[in-house]
Amino acid sequence: GQQLNQSPQSMFIQEGEDVSMNCTSSSIFNTWLWYKQDPGEGPVLLIALYKAGELTSNGRLTAQFGITRKDSFLNISASIPSDVGIYFCAGQPNTGNQFYFGTGTSLTVIP
Amino acid sequence: GAVVSQHPSWVICKSGTSVKIECRSLDFQATTMFWYRQFPKQSLMLMATSNEGSKATYEQGVEKDKFLINHASLTLSTLTVTSAHPEDSSFYICSARVSRAGLTDTQYFGPGTRLTVL
Repeated sequence: GQQLNQSPQSMFIQEGEDVSMNCTSSSIFNTWLWYKQDPGEGPVLLIALYKAGELTSNGRLTAQFGITRKDSFLNISASIPSDVGIYFCAGQPNTGNQFYFGTGTSLTVIP
Repeated sequence: GAVVSQHPSWVICKSGTSVKIECRSLDFQATTMFWYRQFPKQSLMLMATSNEGSKATYEQGVEKDKFLINHASLTLSTLTVTSAHPEDSSFYICSARVSRAGLTDTQYFGPGTRLTVL
């Protein structure tokens, strides 16, 4: 199946720093979702985006649905140790039920 | 948000046996559920789409006779790994699709099931 390009693949940052990651696709999507996965657990939904240009926040997290509908961005401000984990983007095209997943961004926060 | 549960969370079995994993939507009805497989440090790989009351749709390369999916009710989908072998050892995660009024879709995941085949 289709897989989205997500970058960076991994990040090592100091506590308190801001984080940015993005996801790109060759296809147009109608929905973008961002998840965080801790080791041995299922992904947890962070933010859902449904309109091009939409900017949505969830606490220190902010995500945007790209104007071209082929990309999305996730920002984490003032990172803390519990932000450690793997972040996945997921996109849904305008046909079908299926969501396609990004390759993941592994985030390590150094206290 | 919607809650999805999986059972068991961890299972160890002998090679050649079959294992059933349950996925339940606890506070909503899900006409569509998805089954994923995830290897260490990799992304989720969609195995099949489970539709209530009809046959599952399998992704290319996934053996439907080996990974049996049954979506008998609006709150339960099961994945049975038949004649499991060590290469089937993996983390299996289900998700449920939630459709909101209008056009929006969201997907909520279960906590996953760690399968180890000896």
